[in-house]
Order: sequence, then structure tokens, then C-alpha cells
Amino acid sequence: LAKTTQPISMDSYEGQEVNITCSHNNIATNDYITWYQQFPSQGPRFIIQGYKTKVTNEVASLFIPADRKSSTLSLPRVSLSDTAVYYCLVGANQAGTALIFGKGTTLSVSS
Amino acid sequence: NAGVTQTPKFRILKIGQSMTLQCTQDMNHNYMYWYRQDPGMGLKLIYYSVGAGITDKGEVPNGYNVSRSTTEDFPLRLELAAPSQTSVYFCASSYGVGLKSYEQYFGPGTRLTVT
Repeated sequence: LAKTTQPISMDSYEGQEVNITCSHNNIATNDYITWYQQFPSQGPRFIIQGYKTKVTNEVASLFIPADRKSSTLSLPRVSLSDTAVYYCLVGANQAGTALIFGKGTTLSVSS
Repeated sequence: NAGVTQTPKFRILKIGQSMTLQCTQDMNHNYMYWYRQDPGMGLKLIYYSVGAGITDKGEVPNGYNVSRSTTEDFPLRLELAAPSQTSVYFCASSYGVGLKSYEQYFGPGTRLTVT
């Protein structure tokens, strides 16, 4: 599984756009990039997944450049409730795959 | 759907005691997983199951046992609890095949302290 590197923490204010970048230099051809969100005292929750270019859903956007060695999770107009830990994972897109969570990025949103 | 449910929410064990963490999912998922999360760290896979009657070890299986007699239930057994097993335990499940087979659904966790 490709190793990922992401900032330990980020701070933001309500209403701002937040971009969290993840580096994965050794990503394999069949690897997908997946982001999970974890609130305190809760289990992780799937946010978004992509393979290349851009993916958008009701929660976030995921930007992946052509070389796929990095990716950026974009959260539009964050609110206090977006305060959480965000994990970037890289691996095969198949069931049964163990999810390798690093320490993630702790996002703190203030008013 | 209740999703993935775990019991108990909290538990304190003495060294050497045993207990079973319960996990149930009502989404008819084939795959189920047990992770542990130590303070300030990511999750580590303990065991997983691809269907009833089939289980396999993950990254940190020592000190734990699992069984999968039904699709819905995947209990995790701790034998001879040790302080190193103090952690938050998460159960998760996912579809076996199809477009969303990669997406895992997590339970709320069980916070275990061994003293």
C-alpha cells in the first residue's frame, strides 16, 4: 500500500474553503484515493473517492493531478461541525482491503 | 437501517480478564472488520471476515479471536486482557462486490480500558 503524507493539523474559520493536500508518491496504477472523516468519539465516515482528475459530491471535492502523486480534498465553506480528523488513504478499490489509516489531518474550525 | 452497532460502549477490565465485544450490521454486507485505534493514532486492522464462517488475521491479531457464524454478527473476543489492549475498538462492514465495495461503514466504537 502506498504511503501517504498529510499535514498534522490545519486551522480555519467558518465560511472559508479548506484544502487538505495528501502526498502519495508511490501510488500504484490500480490504486484509488479515498478520504474518510472522523469526529471525536465516533468511527470514521467515508467522504469521497477518486482515481484521477476531479470528483465532487455533496460534501467535498477531490482534485487529483495527472501524475496522481498527490491529491487535494476541498471542503467548501466550512462550518464548526466540520471540525474533525481527515484521513487520506491510497489502495486498491476492492472489498476486503484493510484500510491503512495514518494520523490524519486534524481540522479545527473557529467562529 | 441501524447500520453497524457495537456493544458495550465502554468497559473497564482487569488484567487477565476476558470479554467479548459485540458487533452487528443490518446492511447484509459480506465483509466485516475489526480495528483498534490507540490515542492520537490511526486505525489498525485486527481481524476481518469475507463471509459467514470465514475469517482472517489483520495487522495486529495477537490476543484476539473472532468468529462469524452469521452474516450479521462478528464478535471480537479478548482473552487474558493486557494493558496494551487499552484502546478504542471499531467494527466496520462493507459490500462484497459492486461499485461501493471499497466503502467501509463503521460502528460507534467500544472504549476499553485494561487496568
